[in-house]
Amino acid sequence: DTEVTQTPKHLVMGMTNKKSLKCEQHMGHRAMYWYKQKAKKPPELMFVYSYEKLSINESVPSRFSPECPNSSLLNLHLHALQPEDSALYLCASSQESRLSYEQYFGPGTRLTVT
Amino acid sequence: DAKTTQPPSMDCAEGRAANLPCNHSTISGNEYVYWYRQIHSQGPQYIIHGLKNNETNEMASLIITEDRKSSTLILPHATLRDTAVYYCIVRPLIQGAQKLVFGQGTRLTINP
Repeated sequence: DTEVTQTPKHLVMGMTNKKSLKCEQHMGHRAMYWYKQKAKKPPELMFVYSYEKLSINESVPSRFSPECPNSSLLNLHLHALQPEDSALYLCASSQESRLSYEQYFGPGTRLTVT
Repeated sequence: DAKTTQPPSMDCAEGRAANLPCNHSTISGNEYVYWYRQIHSQGPQYIIHGLKNNETNEMASLIITEDRKSSTLILPHATLRDTAVYYCIVRPLIQGAQKLVFGQGTRLTINP
């Protein structure tokens, strides 16, 4: 199983809402990532978790709050977002314990903030 | 900032070889060249990587120049399903989690 799943596929939320994006993998990967992709732009890294601990935060605003409750799950909690946060949010995972050359990406959650 | 330069778009006829160039003139000795692609409405997908030798797998071939300042990804018999944005990325191959820095990529269109 080389699949990374993300739910929901689409999400529309108001600026005062609180919502969460979920990501799951069962490949035994201990590194997990959140990327943000605006329309017609390349993905940009937001967060990296290594062994369930946050290892990289690319200066992301605090209205985005990541959580890694266990080695298979990664959440992104959203609160008080702005319309400019509308984007495709991609989750990825990779091996941590050995040389890793490949990140596996999920299909993404398309978020619209109204 | 991305360390690679790619043409913004290319076209190729179905059944022909698609050759996608990438310039990485500031590549360091310990950095590998990676290629990913992103088909519309999907997440990026790893294709291939290499250090200095040419590499081939079931998806593609990677040709790296002797000075390592540029490379070419070759899709030998392109199909309509190869229409995607192709990203060339350079980064070191080290143990552990590390970020991918995507450039603007090349939008490849395969025409029937």
